[in-house]
Amino acid sequence: SYELTQPPSVSVSPGQTASITCSGDKLGDKYVCWYQQKPGQSPVLVIDQDSKRPSGIPERFSGSNSGNTATLTISGTQAMDEADYYCQAWDTSTVVFGGGTKLTVL
Amino acid sequence: QVQVVQSGAEVKKPGASVRVSCKASGYTFTDYYIHWVRQAPGQGLEWMGWINPNSGGTNYAQKFQDWVTMTRDTSISTAYMDLSRLRSDDTAVYYCARSILTVVKGFDYWGQGTLLTVSS
Repeated sequence: SYELTQPPSVSVSPGQTASITCSGDKLGDKYVCWYQQKPGQSPVLVIDQDSKRPSGIPERFSGSNSGNTATLTISGTQAMDEADYYCQAWDTSTVVFGGGTKLTVL
Repeated sequence: QVQVVQSGAEVKKPGASVRVSCKASGYTFTDYYIHWVRQAPGQGLEWMGWINPNSGGTNYAQKFQDWVTMTRDTSISTAYMDLSRLRSDDTAVYYCARSILTVVKGFDYWGQGTLLTVSS
């Protein structure tokens, strides 16, 4: 079955740029989405179809996808961005989530 | 406005079954898949499967194929997820979420989650 791999944790200083990667075989051939989940809350879609920001998502969130790696980038990271982030892709008719990355804003 | 509201928390004994409901409003129910995703305590998101409310067709993750059933009632815009032969490691928060049928896109609206506790 298809697998997506994320680093367990990423740390960033306030105001700096955070990058969270998601890797999978020929991932660039698929659309990747990213979700933010804060403790006790449901996930929120922050990036759709590799790089599209849904309505209401701040411009500091961006995404890219090429080759075997998709990347979520948060520019000018704020304390409120501290959360778990999950990548997700469709593999034919099934859905796969990455294991999640805990973003810590130090 | 779009809303996806799930049924309340459940406590079940091992071996029992559970039904979780997911009521949609504010959009055309039959235009979007309903997915079920679970999250065990302290763990990541795990996709369980989807139902196409238009056709009733389903696609389950291989892990769940023998013990999950997803159904819908279009008259009340509600999807259901039945899980049988419960074990303690089924203790988790269960979410429903929608994604549009016609295009490969993400899950743009999620339910609030339903906590299932399986304990003797």
